Amino acid sequence: EVQLVQSGAEVKEPGDSLKISCKTSGYSFSTYWIGWVRQMPGKGLEWMGIIYPGDSETRYSPSFQGQVTISADKSMTTAYLQWSSLKASDSAMYYCARRSDYVGDYWGQGTLVTVSS
Amino acid sequence: QSVLTQPASVSGSPGQSITISCTGTSSDVGGYKYVSWYQQHPGKAPKVMIYEVSKRPSGVSNRFSGSKSGNTASLTISGLQAEDEADYYCSAYRSSTTVLFGGGTKLTVL
Repeated sequence: EVQLVQSGAEVKEPGDSLKISCKTSGYSFSTYWIGWVRQMPGKGLEWMGIIYPGDSETRYSPSFQGQVTISADKSMTTAYLQWSSLKASDSAMYYCARRSDYVGDYWGQGTLVTVSS
Repeated sequence: QSVLTQPASVSGSPGQSITISCTGTSSDVGGYKYVSWYQQHPGKAPKVMIYEVSKRPSGVSNRFSGSKSGNTASLTISGLQAEDEADYYCSAYRSSTTVLFGGGTKLTVL
């Protein structure tokens, strides 16, 4: 059974750094793209970027290039999303999803990030 | 404002059929077969209901169907049920770095 299990909710202050995780199981981690999707409160979905764990090729959506870093650890079959300096506008629900032919076919349960002073 | 345009809301009674449209351009919806639809219940992760315009993943009810004409894709739900009440998002490939989502449609089952 394919499973993506994300790390828990985070409450941070502006300027803090943060790294959230997405632990996968039940499939060959190295051979599927995996990505992150942002959903701001009461808003729609946005792909942030994707990574191919097999060779660590990473592609960012233009809106998120330079704003976040996506990484993956093959030994842990885990993908990560990190910020070096959070802003209040980063407050959102973040989902990881396995990508197969441009479709998110399996999703994590989401990680709520709250950035507030 | 999302690049893919969906109606903000649609509604229907149990047993009826509804259709949600998703309008893009020849660079995304109209240009490729990679159009998909997601269902999202409140507080839950999205779930893919349709991929590659009209294909259903294993386990998805055949009451859900997809189609495309030109730059507009459509999701039709027949035999509407209370459990279908949710937000629905279309998605379309534009480039190797860009897969777009629509703004979402709230389906209300009356």
